[in-house]
Amino acid sequence: QKEVEQNSGPLSVPEGAIASLNCTYSDRGSQSFFWYRQYSGKSPELIMSIYSNGDKEDGRFTAQLNKASQYVSLLIRDSQPSDSATYLCAVSAADSNYQLIWGAGTKLIIKP
Amino acid sequence: DAGVTQSPTHLIKTRGQHVTLRCSPISGHKSVSWYQQVLGQGPQFIFQYYEKEERGRGNFPDRFSARQFPNYSSELNVNALLLGDSALYLCASSLVPGYNTEAFFGQGTRLTVV
Repeated sequence: QKEVEQNSGPLSVPEGAIASLNCTYSDRGSQSFFWYRQYSGKSPELIMSIYSNGDKEDGRFTAQLNKASQYVSLLIRDSQPSDSATYLCAVSAADSNYQLIWGAGTKLIIKP
Repeated sequence: DAGVTQSPTHLIKTRGQHVTLRCSPISGHKSVSWYQQVLGQGPQFIFQYYEKEERGRGNFPDRFSARQFPNYSSELNVNALLLGDSALYLCASSLVPGYNTEAFFGQGTRLTVV
């Protein structure tokens, strides 16, 4: 059973601070890693993808991947109240035709 | 360019009924996947279609079926609805199933079974 684990939160972060979200996965064959943001009642929105070890930056977002330790993280710098949402981690692998395996999500609350 | 479109956005059905959900992928995308998301959980994979062929099926009963049409749009059908089928049904569109392929979601269909 392939699993993706996330702390459900809520994670409360002051406005302007760095929010750090973590995700671990069980399948060592996982090849592609994604972070989605989901506002209440809405569908997931892709914010970051990462495929190789290291950091990938896009604006205020940085994704970090460590395949040896089987974890992927998302950093949000200068957190804004509009960043308050549930963040979903998803992974995929060739042996499952790249279907997405999801964590349950971490609820992030940015306090003004 | 239009994103992924799903219809209907909301639906209320009675136990035992049948439902059909529809999805149009992003123009040029040939792969469609369906996911079920129950409140408070991450999405669960139901089906993946690519070039009109089923490429994957999740752990869902045979009451769930799907198909992809020549224009790459897709339908998800659920027979003999149960209360537990109440969920947000998500359609994801991608170019092809692959290593560095990103999936984009429609707005979802909120199904309520009463």
